Amino acid sequence: EAQVTQNPRYLITVTGKKLTVTCSQNMNHEYMSWYRQDPGLGLRQIYYSMNVEVTDKGDVPEGYKVSRKEKRNFPLILESPSPNQTSLYFCASSPGDHYGYTFGSGTRLTVV
Amino acid sequence: AQSVSQHNHHVILSEAASLELGCNYSYGGTVNLFWYVQYPGQHLQLLLKYFSGDPLVKGIKGFEAEFIKSKFSFNLRKPSVQWSDTAEYFCAVFNNNDMRFGAGTRLTVKP
Repeated sequence: EAQVTQNPRYLITVTGKKLTVTCSQNMNHEYMSWYRQDPGLGLRQIYYSMNVEVTDKGDVPEGYKVSRKEKRNFPLILESPSPNQTSLYFCASSPGDHYGYTFGSGTRLTVV
Repeated sequence: AQSVSQHNHHVILSEAASLELGCNYSYGGTVNLFWYVQYPGQHLQLLLKYFSGDPLVKGIKGFEAEFIKSKFSFNLRKPSVQWSDTAEYFCAVFNNNDMRFGAGTRLTVKP
């Protein structure tokens, strides 16, 4: 089944403890992206990647890192999480602009 | 930079009523436009898309949208809503791996 898989689905962590949210797609898509969704603010792009080893900042990249060493994987790294990073995170992939994104199921992160 | 505006924050309808959700975009180039739906507790799912051709596009679950270039609009419509259409709806414009979403419209359908 064609899909974008994120793990974990839920995560509660403490301030400052490094964490990684994994994202993998099995559709051979070139584009991948991370969004966060917050009430009243909609979806905001954190980072995106056009292909392997090509990443760019989105609208809200502060406090996040990404890497794209393989086409299928696009992990989101929070080196020192803070409470303002408590949010619902979505990974997405796309074969190109005409097709739109396929979204993963989301990761609900709580930083205490 | 491209951007999207959705005018309706929350829409409440009774079953069988007709639906129209507004979406306006700002982008000077060729547009790729999308409507996504997010059911409570779930991820975003694609309803329909437009990038060229017939400006009236049909999507899943009986939804359709009309691209009106002169108005920079891409409104979503459904002739008769059902209780199961209760969800949040997002309009988006997508270029060069940059997808911009509107703030979303929450639709509540009363049985």
